[in-house]
Amino acid sequence: NAGVMQNPRHLVRRRGQEARLRCSPMKGHSHVYWYRQLPEEGLKFMVYLQKENIIDESGMPKERFSAEFPKEGPSILRIQQVVRGDSAAYFCASSPPSRDTGLSFGQGTRLTVV
Amino acid sequence: AQSVTQPDIHITVSEGASLELRCNYSYGATPYLFWYVQSPGQGLQLLLKYFSGDTLVQGIKGFEAEFKRSQSSFNLRKPSVHWSDAAEYFCAVGAKTSYDKVIFGPGTSLSVIP
Repeated sequence: NAGVMQNPRHLVRRRGQEARLRCSPMKGHSHVYWYRQLPEEGLKFMVYLQKENIIDESGMPKERFSAEFPKEGPSILRIQQVVRGDSAAYFCASSPPSRDTGLSFGQGTRLTVV
Repeated sequence: AQSVTQPDIHITVSEGASLELRCNYSYGATPYLFWYVQSPGQGLQLLLKYFSGDTLVQGIKGFEAEFKRSQSSFNLRKPSVHWSDAAEYFCAVGAKTSYDKVIFGPGTSLSVIP
């Protein structure tokens, strides 16, 4: 049973380009969460999604950031027109419908904007 | 407001010594509490969680934590630290809502001296 899979592990983008981060939740998990970790800081919640629905996006920046979790395929976190301040580790987590296991995290995508 | 405080940014202990990492939370409802560990360049691994019941919970790798409602604390302990325990440790709090969004503390970095 594979864990939460994120790709790519490392992503380098020039300022102004788009970054697309992918996350496949654990088998049987229907809830996906995205977190951002800035250097020397803890994880900050960005967005919570279920299939085809954004449930809580209270942590998402209002501009340039979007997320989706389509009926088929992985969840995508999309950052348009990246800036240096977007450089961070982005972690995806998933959980099953029952609430007794806590979040399972992927290994993260480390985005560097040059 | 929901928040998690980890007063110690960095702790150094000798191998074989005991360990206690502090965590305090502020939450408006009965909390779910978690400890996660992150090795360099890796994702987060769940060490233990408290949902209800016995306030002393056992986790993986010989860790335990005690929930003290009166002190709003959930400190992590280990009787004898191993060199492989060197990592970043995050305390997190969630709510009895319909999903698993959690708020993370800033983390405590643990170094182990051989």
